[in-house]
Amino acid sequence: NAGVTQTPKFQVLKTGQSMTLQCAQDMNHEYMSWYRQDPGMGLRLIHYSVGAGITDQGEVPNGYNVSRSTTEDFPLRLLSAAPSQTSVYFCASSDPTGVRTEAFFGQGTRLTVV
Amino acid sequence: SQELEQSPQSLIVQEGKNLTINCTSSKTLYGLYWYKQKYGEGLIFLMMLQKGGEEKSHEKITAKLDEKKQQSSLHITASQPSHAGIYLCGAPLSGYSTLTFGKGTMLLVSP
Repeated sequence: NAGVTQTPKFQVLKTGQSMTLQCAQDMNHEYMSWYRQDPGMGLRLIHYSVGAGITDQGEVPNGYNVSRSTTEDFPLRLLSAAPSQTSVYFCASSDPTGVRTEAFFGQGTRLTVV
Repeated sequence: SQELEQSPQSLIVQEGKNLTINCTSSKTLYGLYWYKQKYGEGLIFLMMLQKGGEEKSHEKITAKLDEKKQQSSLHITASQPSHAGIYLCGAPLSGYSTLTFGKGTMLLVSP
C-alpha cells in the first residue's frame, strides 16, 4: 500500500507566489490533516477534514486554504507565500473508528520561501 | 502554554543504557500515541495507549499511560544507534478528529 503520498518533496518559492501541496491517501480514511513542523515548535495543526466536503481550521490556518472534494485527496494551498511559511509540511490521515486508529503520515514537503 | 509537554527536550545516551521520555498533558487523556521521526522523514507510529494503567511493549520499547497523572512514559531498554531520532507524543485533546503533539524529544545514542 502507498499509504499517504505527498508531493512535491522539496519546493522553493519566491515571496508572493502561490502553490498547492498535494496529499493523497489510499486507505479510505475519512479524517485528514495538515501540520507544519518548525524547530522548537513541534507539529502544529493547520487545517483538517473529517470527510469529503467538510474542512475546519486548526491552530495556525492563516495564509492557507484547503478543500476536500474527494475522500482520497486533501490539497493545501498557499495563497501568497511569505518567508514565515518556510517549514516542513506533513499530511496525515486516520480512521478513529477503525481497528487501527493511529494517524498515518506522509513523508513531508520541505518548503523554503525566499 | 503547551498542552502536551515532553521531557527531556533532548537526550544523549551511551549505547546499551536505558532511558525514559515523559509526556505530560494539561487536559484529560483519552488516549495517547507515540511516534518516532528520523531526520528528514515522516512520522512512524510506535504505540497507542488507551486505558489508564495500560502498558505496551514492542521490541525494546515500552510505553505506559498513567491517566490520573495525565502522563505517559516511553522507556527504551539497552539503547542502540537505531533508536536515535525524535520521539513525539500525540493525543486527541480537541476532539477525536485531530492529534495535538508535544514538541518532541531528540535522542542521540553514542557508541
